[in-house]
Formats: sequence, structure tokens, C-alpha cells
Amino acid sequence: EAGVAQSPRYKIIEKRQSVAFWCNPISGHATLYWYQQILGQGPKLLIQFQNNGVVDDSQLPKDRFSAERLKGVDSTLKIQPAKLEDSAVYLCASSPRDNSYEQYFGPGTRLTVT
Amino acid sequence: AQSVTQLDSQVPVFEEAPVELRCNYSSSVSVYLFWYVQYPNQGLQLLLKYLSGSTLVESINGFEAEFNKSQTSFHLRKPSVHISDTAEYFCAVIRLGYSGGGADGLTFGKGTHLIIQP
Repeated sequence: EAGVAQSPRYKIIEKRQSVAFWCNPISGHATLYWYQQILGQGPKLLIQFQNNGVVDDSQLPKDRFSAERLKGVDSTLKIQPAKLEDSAVYLCASSPRDNSYEQYFGPGTRLTVT
Repeated sequence: AQSVTQLDSQVPVFEEAPVELRCNYSSSVSVYLFWYVQYPNQGLQLLLKYLSGSTLVESINGFEAEFNKSQTSFHLRKPSVHISDTAEYFCAVIRLGYSGGGADGLTFGKGTHLIIQP
């Protein structure tokens, strides 16, 4: 079974530029999550999708961050414009519709804003 | 809202010695508990979880954790560590009773870096 795929793996941009990250979850997983992991901290949930609907985006900075999950499969997270404090690893995870409560994480995208 | 506290940001221990990584949580509702591990240059992987039943849960590589409701703790232990256990360990919780299908978003602690010294 293929894991969660993310691209790009690394990205360096200047502040005020825009950037987009892509995630393809494990096939059949209905729930998809985006987390932000700042250096020295644990991951923080940004947004959660159930199929193509948003379940929780309470911690997403909506003035600059946006995310979509068209057709309930892969997802894109965008930052526009980027700030220095957005430097972090952006993790995508997915989980099946069962009672395991397990989430499967991708390798992450490391963003550096200069 | 939930919060997770990992008191130790870094734990150095000699190879073959025992180790305990501490985790405490705070929540106004009941939660499920998890330990995730992040090996160098790898993604997060589930190590073990407590959903219900026996409060002592084990992983396939010799780690165990015990859920203590009165202490609101879920400490991770291993009786004898190996150099390959060097990694970042994250404690996390999910609130019970999420009705949206799948699983709720995880609330993570800040992580504990386990350093194994030869």
C-alpha cells in the first residue's frame, strides 16, 4: 500500500511570495489533515477535511492560508503572501473511516521563508 | 480544548539502560492517547495507542505506555534502549466522541528527543 505522498519536499521563498503544497493521501482514506510543525514544537493542526468538506479550520490563518480538496482525494495548501514565521515543515496525514483512530503521515514539505 | 505537556525536551540515556518519557495531558472531555515517533529524516509513525481496555499498551519494538486517568498521564517506557531508538517522540491526544467519521485532529506535545549514548 502506497503511503501519503507530498511535494515538493523542500521549498525556499522570499517573504511576501506565494507557495503551494500538494498532498495525495492513502487510497480510500476519507479524512485528510494538514499540520504545521515549527522547529522545536509538535505538529499543530491547520485544517481537516472529511471527503471534500472542511471539518475543522479553526487554527488556519485564513488571511493568508487556504486549502482545498477537490473531488475528495488529493489536496493543496497555499500560503499567500508568506511571512518569515511561516517557516516550518508542513505535514499531510490521512486516516481511514474506521475505529482505529490512526493517522498516517507523509514525509512533509520543509518551507524556508527568507 | 486539549493540551499535552512533555516535560523533557531532551533525554540522554546510555545504551541498554531503561528510559521513561513523560507525558501529561489536560482535557475537559475524555481523550484517546497516542505516542508517535519520528526517526531522523523520516516521517511521523504511530508507536502505540490507548483507546480502551487494559491501561498498559505495548509496541512491537519493546516500548510500553500506561494510561493513568487520575494522574492524567501516559508515560512511555522501555526497559533497555538500543542505539536505533534515537528519535523524537511525540505524545498526542484525540477527543472522544467525534462524530464526523474518521478521526479528529491530533493535539501534540512539543516532543522529547531521546539520545542514546554508547
